[in-house]
Amino acid sequence: ETGVTQTPRHLVMGMTNKKSLKCEQHLGHNAMYWYKQSAKKPLELMFVYSLEERVENNSVPSRFSPECPNSSHLFLHLHTLQPEDSALYLCASSQGAERGYTFGSGTRLTVV
Amino acid sequence: QKEVEQNSGPLSVPEGAIASLNCTYSDRVSQSFFWYRQYSGKSPELIMSIYSNGDKEDGRFTAQLNKASQYVSLLIRDSQPSDSATYLCAFPGSNYQLIWGAGTKLIIKP
Repeated sequence: ETGVTQTPRHLVMGMTNKKSLKCEQHLGHNAMYWYKQSAKKPLELMFVYSLEERVENNSVPSRFSPECPNSSHLFLHLHTLQPEDSALYLCASSQGAERGYTFGSGTRLTVV
Repeated sequence: QKEVEQNSGPLSVPEGAIASLNCTYSDRVSQSFFWYRQYSGKSPELIMSIYSNGDKEDGRFTAQLNKASQYVSLLIRDSQPSDSATYLCAFPGSNYQLIWGAGTKLIIKP
């Protein structure tokens, strides 16, 4: 595997469910990110981790809970979501923003 | 606050013509700039990075940077229908983050 891998690619969940999104990077990068992108809207930064420490939390509701166990893996735990949370969730990694990001393929989440 | 401005479009260009996408930014000290392409429903893909004033060419793509004017552009020569996408420009902010423009939607008409 190369690059940034996200699973699952698609997820449908009810409002009372608990699920997790997974991201894995094989690039040796030291920072990882979660972004949300709603239909026809700009990218919204959710969380930033540098060397497994959270350096940014962009006022995200507590129903989204990130976890970064090591520099290669990033999770987004989801619980009691709302229909408006339906969106494309993107993971990215970088070796510093000066070199740009590499994105995963994203998870298309639908909350019903 | 650091910002990036892009015309949201859509920008409609005939096939085979040159598409010109523009971006202005607020940070005078930024040293690197990026263009990403995003197809509908897909993730952004880095297509060009530029670090110094002037032009950088890669195939049909040319990025142009003017730091004095705080302006970066992307030219696509011989536009193809497969170039139809949203193009995002970005530059580094703080805390490992990129500052993103809202994106310009480009439509190449056959």
